[in-house]
Amino acid sequence: EDKVVQSPLSLVVHEGDTVTLNCSYEVTNFRSLLWYKQEKKAPTFLFMLTSSGIEKKSGRLSSILDKKELSSILNITATQTGDSAIYLCAVEGGSNYKLTFGKGTLLTVNP
Amino acid sequence: SAVISQKPSRDICQRGTSLTIQCQVDSQVTMMFWYRQQPGQSLTLIATANQGSEATYESGFVIDKFPISRPNLTFSTLTVSNMSPEDSSIYLCSVGLVSTDTQYFGPGTRLTVL
Repeated sequence: EDKVVQSPLSLVVHEGDTVTLNCSYEVTNFRSLLWYKQEKKAPTFLFMLTSSGIEKKSGRLSSILDKKELSSILNITATQTGDSAIYLCAVEGGSNYKLTFGKGTLLTVNP
Repeated sequence: SAVISQKPSRDICQRGTSLTIQCQVDSQVTMMFWYRQQPGQSLTLIATANQGSEATYESGFVIDKFPISRPNLTFSTLTVSNMSPEDSSIYLCSVGLVSTDTQYFGPGTRLTVL
């Protein structure tokens, strides 16, 4: 059975801090790893990673995949209160775009 | 990306009744999915909605409880049948775009069953 594990499950930081969120996976026929941000109901897409060692960046957020270690990290620098959300890691395995999600990391950024 | 809408955005229902959730996409997409997110939990795939044929259900989900229709490439419905309080969840549709190989989510439907 495909499995995605995220850590930590929750994290409280102060504005300006840098955070690193972790995701590890066991998936047959790995195709890609995706990061989403969930604030209310709908997860919004952040990154899709398919190749090891290539960092993807968007503003203060960046992410990298390590296919040898079967893991990925999501970094957020200079955090802001608007970064407070649940960050979800999902892995696509096999065909058909099926995603297996981790439980998420609840990030709280205090002013 | 694609623009995805869901109706209703939220509902409160009595046990034993059924609710149909609609998902509309602004472009033709190949893949459409339905997920459930129970309180405090992550997303779980219910089924893949197949255009013109029966949906493909994941383990633990059955057609009698969660009938799905997909009459064309831009629209799908999920019905939650004979509801119980355990069905209280957020229900999300998502679409997979071949052009970007990425999956995007609709705004979700928050269902509360009393």
